[in-house]
Amino acid sequence: AQSVTQLGSHVSVSEGALVLLRCNYSSSVPPYLFWYVQYPNQGLQLLLKYTSAATLVKGINGFEAEFKKSETSFHLTKPSAHMSDAAEYFCAVTGGGGAQKLVFGQGTRLTINP
Amino acid sequence: ETGVTQSPTHLIKTRGQQVTLRCSSQSGHNTVSWYQQALGQGPQFIFQYYREEENGRGNFPPRFSGLQFPNYSSELNVNALELDDSALYLCASTRGASGNTNTGELFFGEGSRLTVL
Repeated sequence: AQSVTQLGSHVSVSEGALVLLRCNYSSSVPPYLFWYVQYPNQGLQLLLKYTSAATLVKGINGFEAEFKKSETSFHLTKPSAHMSDAAEYFCAVTGGGGAQKLVFGQGTRLTINP
Repeated sequence: ETGVTQSPTHLIKTRGQQVTLRCSSQSGHNTVSWYQQALGQGPQFIFQYYREEENGRGNFPPRFSGLQFPNYSSELNVNALELDDSALYLCASTRGASGNTNTGELFFGEGSRLTVL
């Protein structure tokens, strides 16, 4: 079974500051990990994914995440926040064969202060 | 390339009624999944369809059922609606091989927001 814990339901940073959104996972099999972003009244858009290749994954809009097996973490970072980054961010895990059942965290709402 | 489209975007039902939500998958995608996203929560997996058959199901009661059609579009049906069924229902599609889509990217629609009164 898999699970995801996102630390911090709300994160607020200033424009230009570092963005760090935390995600810890639990998985009984080697995990595949994802970060999705959700803008108001929209569906989910994939930011990046880890599928057992390079541990540092680069995604869209300047985001990246590092898979750390020893810490069971997959934190999302961006060096410099932009106003357009304000959204809800979800970490998700899947693994094992068969249907792609994504298990999502509760989400982190990112607010950017001017 | 047409993305995932869902209908209706919003609907209101009363407790005990039945609802059907529809999803057209992205061109070239043969696998459709449905997720329920309650307010302030992350999406929860309902089930997945591959080649018109259910090939995975989450922890949802049997009154949640689905269909996938030969053109890979899909329906989600919910019978005997309860207040807790109020949520955003998200459809996602991907291209799967033998139903194993673990490394594939899911493409989500914008969802159908259901309110049960």
